[in-house]
Amino acid sequence: DTEVTQTPKHLVMGMTNKKSLKCEQHMGHRAMYWYKQKAKKPPELMFVYSYEKLSINESVPSRFSPECPNSSLLNLHLHALQPEDSALYLCASSQELGRGETQYFGPGTRLLVL
Amino acid sequence: DAKTTQPPSMDCAEGRAANLPCNHSTISGNEYVYWYRQIHSQGPQYIIHGLKNNETNEMASLIITEDRKSSTLILPHATLRDTAVYYCIVRKGSARQLTFGSGTQLTVLP
Repeated sequence: DTEVTQTPKHLVMGMTNKKSLKCEQHMGHRAMYWYKQKAKKPPELMFVYSYEKLSINESVPSRFSPECPNSSLLNLHLHALQPEDSALYLCASSQELGRGETQYFGPGTRLLVL
Repeated sequence: DAKTTQPPSMDCAEGRAANLPCNHSTISGNEYVYWYRQIHSQGPQYIIHGLKNNETNEMASLIITEDRKSSTLILPHATLRDTAVYYCIVRKGSARQLTFGSGTQLTVLP
């Protein structure tokens, strides 16, 4: 089973709202990733967790706050977002970090900020 | 990681082989070639990867030139469901992340 699940599939939020995106995998992977993808652009890395610790933060604004409560779960907390943050947010996981492992992606959460 | 160059778009007739090229002239000896695809509004899907030798799996074949400066992804019998953006990515074995280029939009025509 190479499934990564993401909820919700779609999210509409106002600029003053607080919301969270959830990602889950049960493949025993120890590395998990958040990517952001704007329309007609390739995915761009935001955060990487390895063994539940933040390993990479690609200079993402603090209005995005990742959390890895356990090895199967990855959250992205959203607060005071801007309309330009509207995008497809993709979660991925891999066996380990730093060994060129294949990354498996979830279907994404499409976020619209009004 | 080495940069890659792919054509922005290609068409292929249904049932025919789709051959997607990728140039990576600055690839170094410890960098792998990976292919992912992304069907519209879905997450990217891993297809195949290789270092030097040609590789084949149930989805596709990967042909890497002897000098490793270019490669071709082959979908042997393209179907309408293969319409997607195909990304060629070069990365070191120790790399911690995937860096996506702009990819090739493959459209399979009936």
